[in-house]
Amino acid sequence: DAGVTQSPTHLIKTRGQQVTLRCSPISGHKSVSWYQQVLGQGPQFIFQYYEKEERGRGNFPDRFSARQFPNYSSELNVNALLLGDSALYLCASSLVGSSTDTQYFGPGTRLTVL
Amino acid sequence: QKEVEQDPGPLSVPEGAIVSLNCTYSNSAFQYFMWYRQYSRKGPELLMYTYSSGNKEDGRFTAQVDKSSKYISLFIRDSQPSDSATYLCAMSAGYGQNFVFGPGTRLSVLP
Repeated sequence: DAGVTQSPTHLIKTRGQQVTLRCSPISGHKSVSWYQQVLGQGPQFIFQYYEKEERGRGNFPDRFSARQFPNYSSELNVNALLLGDSALYLCASSLVGSSTDTQYFGPGTRLTVL
Repeated sequence: QKEVEQDPGPLSVPEGAIVSLNCTYSNSAFQYFMWYRQYSRKGPELLMYTYSSGNKEDGRFTAQVDKSSKYISLFIRDSQPSDSATYLCAMSAGYGQNFVFGPGTRLSVLP
């Protein structure tokens, strides 16, 4: 079975631009979460979606938004990019998104903002 | 003070050594505790999951949680070069999957 897939693998943008990152969960998983991992730090929670509804939001500015589609895939959008947005963006999927539900992470999208 | 702190490492040990990885936390509401392993250029992979205080063993890995001290540990017995990775602790108060991760400890097991 395919694991969590993310696209693109790498991305280079300039300050002020907008970016869209994509995630396909494991087949049968209905919950997707997004994390930001800055180099040398642990992942930081951005959003969780379950059945196309936002279930949780971390401490990120409104420039960050996300959505989940009927096929449970998800997009993360970041507007007005700042240098500090450079990071590895991780997507994780789980069956139903509860705290006891195992999350499976994708390989991430590495975003560089120049 | 950060919500979750972790020994920064890097940590280098010889093959076969027992490794101890530790995290402390400040939020007494945390009740779900996890350890993830992250290889370079890969996403984190769940190793161990524990609920509340106590010990849990899985093969060469043992996870300990001491909620009274707000301290969790991961022990790796008979460490192997393939265990070389960054180890992340994570915890949750039980609201969906809003997990709080530690900064990670980089481990190198030398053959």
